[in-house]
Amino acid sequence: DSGVTQTPKHLITATGQRVTLRCSPRSGDLSVYWYQQSLDQGLQFLIQYYNGEERAKGNILERFSAQQFPDLHSELNLSSLELGDSALYFCASSVDHSSGNTIYFGEGSWLTVV
Amino acid sequence: AQTVTQSQPEMSVQEAETVTLSCTYDTSENNYYLFWYKQPPSRQMILVIRQEAYKQQNATENRFSVNFQKAAKSFSLKISDSQLGDTAMYFCAFILHGSSNTGKLIFGQGTTLQVKP
Repeated sequence: DSGVTQTPKHLITATGQRVTLRCSPRSGDLSVYWYQQSLDQGLQFLIQYYNGEERAKGNILERFSAQQFPDLHSELNLSSLELGDSALYFCASSVDHSSGNTIYFGEGSWLTVV
Repeated sequence: AQTVTQSQPEMSVQEAETVTLSCTYDTSENNYYLFWYKQPPSRQMILVIRQEAYKQQNATENRFSVNFQKAAKSFSLKISDSQLGDTAMYFCAFILHGSSNTGKLIFGQGTTLQVKP
């Protein structure tokens, strides 16, 4: 158990809908990351937050947004969903924003868009 | 652009034997970190081992060790005394040092390892 908690574990929704994925980082970790794992794109970095502020942005679509709240939990919002958004979405956390820190992953949220 | 290449999509090994998974990466930077993550059928990403590029000594974690060749940009993972629980997909990952690159782990495509009894 990495200590990173993600909900829901599985989610099935229709095209055009909006979903929210939730993440609680490990106790004491200030940085939260979101990654997407799909069959065709592999594992891709989406976005990073550090202590409530956006820190780095990767290949995140404009239809997607995220935030980190004062209690450090984070949410990833996916809207206008398309079939191609079906993927495993990982949340991860680390102590701070330094790239040298180990990044611990949650168990992921399986999103299926039908 | 930084890339990570794992040239072995699938590998198999007999239980108790040793196997080596290959990884090469490409970067023009000098300071970075390398990782191997394991993804078992449960799909959770589990850190196996990490290596700082500035360290010449190869990292080891119990049965797992790496062969880090900085000049060749190679970072292979050796699993000794393979166990059935080692069956998983293994990802090599790379992250640049520096505040502007935080969080951007770059992953290879993965190697599926099957340990046979």
